[in-house]
Amino acid sequence: GDSVTQMEGPVTLSEEAFLTINCTYTATGYPSLFWYVQYPGEGLQLLLKATKADDKGSNKGFEATYRKETTSFHLEKGSVQVSDSAVYFCALFRPTSYGKLTFGQGTILTVHP
Amino acid sequence: DVKVTQSSRYLVKRTGEKVFLECVQDMDHENMFWYRQDPGLGLRLIYFSYDVKMKEKGDIPEGYSVSREKKERFSLILESASTNQTSMYLCASSFIRTGSYEQYFGPGTRLTVT
Repeated sequence: GDSVTQMEGPVTLSEEAFLTINCTYTATGYPSLFWYVQYPGEGLQLLLKATKADDKGSNKGFEATYRKETTSFHLEKGSVQVSDSAVYFCALFRPTSYGKLTFGQGTILTVHP
Repeated sequence: DVKVTQSSRYLVKRTGEKVFLECVQDMDHENMFWYRQDPGLGLRLIYFSYDVKMKEKGDIPEGYSVSREKKERFSLILESASTNQTSMYLCASSFIRTGSYEQYFGPGTRLTVT
């Protein structure tokens, strides 16, 4: 079945540091890939997405590139802020899955001033 | 803006009680989902529904049931709550048509079963 694996966390960084959160997936066919973010006390919200190989999703300074050859969708940001502290989830969607998403286990990011 | 609301942010129930968690969305989405979120396990799908009165089991349906009598409302029912059902419960909704599969989430209900 489909699965998503994220790097072990939590991740702690200083403000303005470079961020990478690794995500790899296993799925048949051609899934779409997502990063969701959950700020403290809130539900998840879509951060960015990519629907086909070599697509780059970007939003709020975050980027991720859909790499089919390595089955990866790593999240990056060049300079993190304290306000980026949140839980980040990688997820995949297959068109035959009735709209279901498969989520990774989440990575807690804490950014210190 | 899409809005998904959940009936309670925090809930404390006793073992054996019947628990209802309500979710309402205002975007006329066909799909609705219930997840539980536990540290280190991410989000796990309990049940989902793609139409009124339709329901499908997710990955961890045991101990839960659902009801969808109206398109905008999806209820999660714990028939006899147990301590291992203490968790954060998240509701989500989405369109069913291809290309519009982004899920919109409610704020969550943190349920404690004592």
